[in-house]
Amino acid sequence: DVKVTQSSRYLVKRTGEKVFLECVQDMDHENMFWYRQDPGLGLRLIYFSYDVKMKEKGDIPEGYSVSREKKERFSLILESASTNQTSMYLCATLGGTRGRQPQHFGDGTRLSIL
Amino acid sequence: AQTVTQSQPEMSVQEAETVTLSCTYDTSESDYYLFWYKQPPSRQMILVIRQEAYKQQNATENRFSVNFQKAAKSFSLKISDSQLGDAAMYFCAYGTNNGGSQGNLIFGKGTKLSVKP
Repeated sequence: DVKVTQSSRYLVKRTGEKVFLECVQDMDHENMFWYRQDPGLGLRLIYFSYDVKMKEKGDIPEGYSVSREKKERFSLILESASTNQTSMYLCATLGGTRGRQPQHFGDGTRLSIL
Repeated sequence: AQTVTQSQPEMSVQEAETVTLSCTYDTSESDYYLFWYKQPPSRQMILVIRQEAYKQQNATENRFSVNFQKAAKSFSLKISDSQLGDAAMYFCAYGTNNGGSQGNLIFGKGTKLSVKP
């Protein structure tokens, strides 16, 4: 089974802090994704990466950046956290032929910005 | 741009009965994939079922089946013999097989399913 591990289930930070959310996978998948999930809005794609050191903007990249220095790790960075970034953040991975395979999700990080 | 619409924010079903969750999508592509994901409360999102657009046969996984109507761009999920463990948020998702967005998913807003004992 694919294992996608997000470093924290719950995180509380203050406005203006730099926040790192980490995601690690153990299946050698090329593709990794970061989503935010908000009630009534579903999942929205922030950034994705299809290879080491490669990154692409998703639908809502503003206020976020990402880092993928190693294949197994994909980090989401909030450069200066704001209260409107309070949300559930989900990491996902995808291997094989893109499009044909389902994405595999981590447990999520519920982030609160005070 | 592709869109996915789940018109039922909440649904309720009696244990052992059948329930159908609706999903419609909009696309001009011919090669794509559709998924239903389940997210139990405070738990990981998992794949329920997948449908490839070029296949006419509806996908089935045990108690879960889909009604895929390609011309109508409809992809509903039927859960038979509902169990308490089926209570969750269900998301419909569209995946393209084209270009740079290959593998990316577009999600609906979700349907919260409650199961009454």
